[in-house]
Amino acid sequence: AQKVTQAQTEISVVEKEDVTLDCVYETRDTTYYLFWYKQPPSGELVFLIRRNSFDEQNEISGRYSWNFQKSTSSFNFTITASQVVDSAVYFCALGGSQGNLIFGKGTKLSVKP
Amino acid sequence: ETGVTQTPRHLVMGMTNKKSLKCEQHLGHNAMYWYKQSAKKPLELMFVYSLEERVENNSVPSRFSPECPNSSHLFLHLHTLQPEDSALYLCASSHRYKGDSTDTQYFGPGTRLTVL
Repeated sequence: AQKVTQAQTEISVVEKEDVTLDCVYETRDTTYYLFWYKQPPSGELVFLIRRNSFDEQNEISGRYSWNFQKSTSSFNFTITASQVVDSAVYFCALGGSQGNLIFGKGTKLSVKP
Repeated sequence: ETGVTQTPRHLVMGMTNKKSLKCEQHLGHNAMYWYKQSAKKPLELMFVYSLEERVENNSVPSRFSPECPNSSHLFLHLHTLQPEDSALYLCASSHRYKGDSTDTQYFGPGTRLTVL
């Protein structure tokens, strides 16, 4: 069975702190895709990154970075020097052979000024 | 307009009403999706349309009726809903469904539905 676990339900940090959101997945597929989405209070899910299972290189995009560890089935997301605008619910998702996305329950990040 | 749009953004309806949610994508995609997001629950996939054909229906009650007249438009027709159907309904689109890779889904802003 495919499953995504985001064990952190809520995280609260003060602006400029670094924060890491954890994502652990389960799949029997040899080829699969991992995603992160951001959902601000407005409701729309904003796509952040798509990574395929054969590419284990870490990725950095501005203040965002992602650490893909196949050995531990994890795809963690780090925000460096967090800002108030980063406050949102963040979802990790797994896409495999079935075509659909399996979402985790999300982590609510609050960044306080 | 760009991306995925949804109307209305907010809807309040009684249990005997009939209403429709509309989704439009401007991305040239061939697959469209309806998701339900309830408080403190994971996103639930409701329906998938690929090339205007319904390919997934995840045990959704018949009071929800989807329609996909063309690859750019998707509707969700609602009738005799229950209060527990109150949720955020999200539409998404992707290039393909079940290709040789999982394509990125792009989401609309959602319709916040309240059933009284």
